[in-house]
Amino acid sequence: EIVLTQSPGTLSLSPGERATLSCRASQSVSSSYLAWYQQKPGQAPRLLIYGASSRATGIPDRFSGSGSGTDFTLTISRLEPEDFAVYYCQQYGSSPPGLTFGGGTKVEIK
Amino acid sequence: QVQLQESGPGLVKPSETLSLTCTVSGGSISSYYWSWIRQPPGKGLEWIGYIYYSGSTNYNPSLKSRVTISVDTSKNQFSLKLSSVTAADTAVYYCARDRRDTYVGGYVYYYGMDVWGQGTTVTVSS
Repeated sequence: EIVLTQSPGTLSLSPGERATLSCRASQSVSSSYLAWYQQKPGQAPRLLIYGASSRATGIPDRFSGSGSGTDFTLTISRLEPEDFAVYYCQQYGSSPPGLTFGGGTKVEIK
Repeated sequence: QVQLQESGPGLVKPSETLSLTCTVSGGSISSYYWSWIRQPPGKGLEWIGYIYYSGSTNYNPSLKSRVTISVDTSKNQFSLKLSSVTAADTAVYYCARDRRDTYVGGYVYYYGMDVWGQGTTVTVSS
């Protein structure tokens, strides 16, 4: 079973700053199988990125994903007030089949 | 626009079976995978399992012995049953559409969970 470790646990930044979130897998993950989600308090998660770097429908271009193998990154180029939330990475596994979430990174206002 | 709505009891007694249903509206349940995910209070997301519209399933190994997911295409619904619940099963339970395409040779491209229900809180307590 692949384990996803997200860092840092909490990121304290100001609006306008750049946020860089890390997701590290315990073994190599196909880029086609890596997604990122945003969750605000009291809301369901929202899909941001799939295929490691493709933005989901309606996601602003300040969100970008990159990486391959065991190291993946979500970057928010300039934080808007609505971007302060918790972010999760997630992988789809084909062998054995299954899904795994990382533990999450909270982006909070500094 | 596809929408998902979870329904079921908000309170379940320890050792009993938790039962939830997710109703799909605005689109067909056919040709997609559908997942259940939960989130204990103040904690992260945990995938429970998924089902294909045809009925094939896959479960989280840590919950596999207690989980059953089924689908009713005639009602555009899929359901979750979790048996022998304890306080550790207290969580917000979400259903989601789980998009992927399978190509010749078995290659899968994963598009992520692109539609989510609003979630339903289930408390396990006597």
